Amino acid sequence: QLQLQESGPGLVKPSETLSLTCTVSGGSINRSSYYWGWIRQPPGKGLEWIGTIYYSGITYYNPSLKSRVTMSVDTSMNQFSLKLRSMTAADTAVYYCASTLIPGSGYFYVRFYGMDVWGQGTTVTVSS
Amino acid sequence: QSVLTQPPSASGTPGQRVTISCYGSSSNIGSNTVNWYRQVPGTAPKLLIYRNDQRPSGVPDRFSGSKSGTSASLAISGLQSEDEADYYCAAWDDSLNGPVFGGGTKLTVL
Repeated sequence: QLQLQESGPGLVKPSETLSLTCTVSGGSINRSSYYWGWIRQPPGKGLEWIGTIYYSGITYYNPSLKSRVTMSVDTSMNQFSLKLRSMTAADTAVYYCASTLIPGSGYFYVRFYGMDVWGQGTTVTVSS
Repeated sequence: QSVLTQPPSASGTPGQRVTISCYGSSSNIGSNTVNWYRQVPGTAPKLLIYRNDQRPSGVPDRFSGSKSGTSASLAISGLQSEDEADYYCAAWDDSLNGPVFGGGTKLTVL
C-alpha cells in the first residue's frame, strides 16, 4: 500500500527558501503510471495546487507560483522534493504531497483521476 | 479566493440526504471532470469521488457525484454523524494545466 511522508523545516524566515521532501514507501516512484504532486492549504483556507512531477523529471507548475518553484525527483531514494523561494507570510500553510495513479501514462490523463494517496501534511510557518 | 465556488456550510440531520454544490467555468468544470475530497480538520484530504461520479474502492455508495455544464454536486444520503467534515470539489483547469479547488463546504450533522 502506497504511503507518502513529508519532511522539512516547520519554520522558515521571510525571503528564505523552503525545502520539503516527500518519501514514497510501499511502491516505486519509478512506476510510469504515477504522477507526484504538492498541494498546500493556508490556515483556515482551501487547497492550492503547487505543481506535479513525473519520475522522469518532467514538471508542471501552477503559473501563479512558477517563478518561485522548483520540483525534483530522486529515484534512488524514492523521494521527490519541493523548493519554494522568496518565502513570505502568505506562504504559511500546511504542505501536502500526493500521488495520482492513472492507467497507462501521459499527463493529459491526470485530469480524469484524483489525488488518491496523500501524505499527512507538514505545517510551514514563515516568520522571523 | 478559490477558483471554484462552494457554499461555506451545509447541514442535515442523521438519515437525511444533503447535497453540496460546486460552480466553475468553461475552462474547468465546463470542459473537464470533477473530483471531490473529504477532509476531517487536522488531517489530509481523502479522495471521495473522481471523474464526476466514480467512487474509489472503500467509499460507501451513500456518496454520489454529478456534473452538469459548469457546475457539479456531491450528494450524501443516509447522513451519519461521522460524515461531519469539510468537503472540497476540484477540477482540471485548462488555463492552469493543473487542478483547481473550491473553497470547501463545512458539513454539520445536527
